Amino acid sequence: GDSVTQMEGPVTLSEEAFLTINCTYTATGYPSLFWYVQYPGEGLQLLLKATKADDKGSNKGFEATYRKETTSFHLEKGSVQVSDSAVYFCALTLPGGGNKLTFGTGTQLKVEL
Amino acid sequence: NAGVTQTPKFQVLKTGQSMTLQCAQDMNHEYMSWYRQDPGMGLRLIHYSVGAGITDQGEVPNGYNVSRSTTEDFPLRLLSAAPSQTSVYFCASSQRPESSTDTQYFGPGTRLTVL
Repeated sequence: GDSVTQMEGPVTLSEEAFLTINCTYTATGYPSLFWYVQYPGEGLQLLLKATKADDKGSNKGFEATYRKETTSFHLEKGSVQVSDSAVYFCALTLPGGGNKLTFGTGTQLKVEL
Repeated sequence: NAGVTQTPKFQVLKTGQSMTLQCAQDMNHEYMSWYRQDPGMGLRLIHYSVGAGITDQGEVPNGYNVSRSTTEDFPLRLLSAAPSQTSVYFCASSQRPESSTDTQYFGPGTRLTVL
């Protein structure tokens, strides 16, 4: 079946460090790929998305590129801030499958001063 | 716009009790859904609706009922609560049911504990 695999957390970084959170997927067809973020005590919100191969999604300094050849959608940020501390979820939807999201298990990020 | 609202924020039930988790959105979205979030498992789809009067099962529907009598509201009913239903529940909505690229908007969640 369709699935999303994320790197295990928690990830602890110092402020201004480089961030990579790995995400790979298994899917039939050509999925759309998403990163959602959950700040403490809140619901999820969309961080960025990419809907076809080689697309790059970007928002708030975060980037991710849809790599069909490696079935990956790794999240990166050049310089993290304490305010980026949150849980990050990689997810996919399938064409013809409507809005049904398949999520990874989430990666907790903690950024320290 | 309030977006997606959920009530209550917290709830404790005893095994066998029933309750309804409320979800409402004011964005006139056609698509609404319920997910549960468990440690180490991400979010899993319980039920979804592509419009008023239409509902369908997701990945983990057992023990839950839904209905969609209006565009705005999508309540989730636990018929006879079990400890395995202890979880955080999120409601989400998006504009076009047929689109696989639309942004989904999530509510703040309901934390449910079943003793």
